[in-house]
Amino acid sequence: NAGVTQTPKFQVLKTGQSMTLQCAQDMNHEYMSWYRQDPGMGLRLIHYSVGAGITDQGEVPNGYNVSRSTTEDFPLRLLSAAPSQTSVYFCASSRPGQGRNGYTFGSGTRLTVV
Amino acid sequence: GEDVEQSLFLSVREGDSSVINCTYTDSSSTYLYWYKQEPGAGLQLLTYIFSNMDMKQDQRLTVLLNKKDKHLSLRIADTQTGDSAIYFCAEKRGSQGNLIFGKGTKLSVKP
Repeated sequence: NAGVTQTPKFQVLKTGQSMTLQCAQDMNHEYMSWYRQDPGMGLRLIHYSVGAGITDQGEVPNGYNVSRSTTEDFPLRLLSAAPSQTSVYFCASSRPGQGRNGYTFGSGTRLTVV
Repeated sequence: GEDVEQSLFLSVREGDSSVINCTYTDSSSTYLYWYKQEPGAGLQLLTYIFSNMDMKQDQRLTVLLNKKDKHLSLRIADTQTGDSAIYFCAEKRGSQGNLIFGKGTKLSVKP
């Protein structure tokens, strides 16, 4: 009964480094998304996917890439980290047509770029 | 896109009622949600309301929806110290059904 699993929980990067934030769900949810949370800004949508092979941009996509090769996994890639990407990142998933269940969120990845 | 608006802070005494307000933007939103976030944790779905409802009650929680004014509120009865958290209003928007969040209201409960 894992739900949405995010790894790692914490990460420190140097400016210019690359890394991938992992997100996996075991609920067979078609929809997956990535948000970033900054103080006083709420959650802002980075990228989302409505199914395997389909991705699209959200409100703040610049500096991030995603892919969706399987239903279960939705990794978020930072190709060249910048201090402005210091944030807490949340992955979420849902099944279309089950609006009353909302989205299920992972526990987050806290990223610091120095 | 347009913003979902919430007040940023609310302070109440233990045992009082708390009311957190939100205005949303898309009159065609089908579902509206309230999420709770405790310090250092992820988001927990508290409750939802479907757009054809005016009110929904779930134990200590009451959600009121005014579609004309695009106003949503969450009332917590008999507020406890364990209710201290950040509360997010969110609307399910557009054909893709993306969740758009407000900035969150930090609820502080004083003993």
